[in-house]
Amino acid sequence: RKEVEQDPGPFNVPEGATVAFNCTYSNSASQSFFWYRQDCRKEPKLLMSVYSSGNEDGRFTAQLNRASQYISLLIRDSKLSDSATYLCVVNNNAGNMLTFGGGTRLMVKP
Amino acid sequence: DAGITQSPRYKITETGRQVTLMCHQTWSHSYMFWYRQDLGHGLRLIYYSAAADITDKGEVPDGYVVSRSKTENFPLTLESATRSQTSVYFCASSEFGLEVETQYFGPGTRLLVL
Repeated sequence: RKEVEQDPGPFNVPEGATVAFNCTYSNSASQSFFWYRQDCRKEPKLLMSVYSSGNEDGRFTAQLNRASQYISLLIRDSKLSDSATYLCVVNNNAGNMLTFGGGTRLMVKP
Repeated sequence: DAGITQSPRYKITETGRQVTLMCHQTWSHSYMFWYRQDLGHGLRLIYYSAAADITDKGEVPDGYVVSRSKTENFPLTLESATRSQTSVYFCASSEFGLEVETQYFGPGTRLLVL
């Protein structure tokens, strides 16, 4: 079983739609959680951290469920520019090492 | 304001040749990392370094060598390249401390081993 699992997609949605991704992690001792965004043929970039209480940044909302060991990302009012691969990332408290999920690809269509 | 840079950006080599990928960061971050990214596997950690002269293996270290004589540089060497090492290689850096586990990635090196 992979440490961090994501549905690879692609998720094809129209502009303005709301879309949600989930991610599960296997290590119950995991401490920190993140969503990274990766555009085609580019490097990953931090989108947002995921806090226990949940957090929101504009159209993006991240949630953490420790009991069920999953993380979610909700994107409201999707834009064409949201098209990218979204990587679920977990820090297992082993120094600064991160474990990456395989990514979920989102395609927003006009 | 260079941040983190990688060179070369693209490289074609032949099986058995030695190849070195360079990574340079200007933030004086303590931690540096090398990942490879392949379809179906996502990002996998090859090696990492917590400080100058301190390196350790990641998930897929076989066939790779690293060094860190200076904080700002973290070269990755493929001692005898194999076709299975064809991949996109990303270098990243981060600083250790509360809420600073964010890793900043370089633009990547696309390596093709023929």
